[in-house]
Amino acid sequence: DIQLTQSPSSLSASVGDRVTITCQANQDISTYLNWYQQKPGKAPNLLIYDASNLGTGVPSRFSGSGSGTDFAFTISSLQPGDIATYYCQQYDNLPLTFGGGTKVEI
Amino acid sequence: QVQLQESGPGLVKPSQTLSLTCSVSGASITGGNYYWTWIRQPAGKGLEWIGRIFASGYTNYNPSLKSRVTLSMDPSKNQFSLKLSSVTAADTAVYYCARYFILTTSYNIYYFDSWGQGTLVTVSS
Repeated sequence: DIQLTQSPSSLSASVGDRVTITCQANQDISTYLNWYQQKPGKAPNLLIYDASNLGTGVPSRFSGSGSGTDFAFTISSLQPGDIATYYCQQYDNLPLTFGGGTKVEI
Repeated sequence: QVQLQESGPGLVKPSQTLSLTCSVSGASITGGNYYWTWIRQPAGKGLEWIGRIFASGYTNYNPSLKSRVTLSMDPSKNQFSLKLSSVTAADTAVYYCARYFILTTSYNIYYFDSWGQGTLVTVSS
């Protein structure tokens, strides 16, 4: 199985801050990585697909980058509504796997 | 807009079989560019992919659960289902059904684009 390691597991930042989360794969997965946001009690929601493509209707303050084994997810200016847990997910190989999540607080 | 809704018992006894159904509206489960999947999340923990089924009935399962999982489809009801046998307390989780979309460009891109709200299944006697 492909293991995805997210860092940090949690973070606290202020409104307007730039926030970056990393996701490291234990083998080369090209750009086959997605990012999701999950708010408490809700299902995850797609933000970024194929490492750097913004999902439909997703605000432009969210972005993704990387390829191979190292990926990053950035919120350029943190908003109160961005309080959530963020997960990376790889689709290079089965079984599909997710990172452990990063909880973002204000 | 596609919508998914999970249904099934919220309480299952140990050693029994967990059965859930996902009802889909706004898209045909026998349509083209997607798989139909199940994902679960124990309380306070991360996401675990259970398996996926294609319109043809072709399935893939997580090896960690493969011996206990069966996915199936009912096109007449536009539903797909999950059965997980021999459950234990470790199977207690919120279970989500989701559509796994295939975006075809110069290569295939896959992502979960629609999710059900999730249903909590507790395994307890």
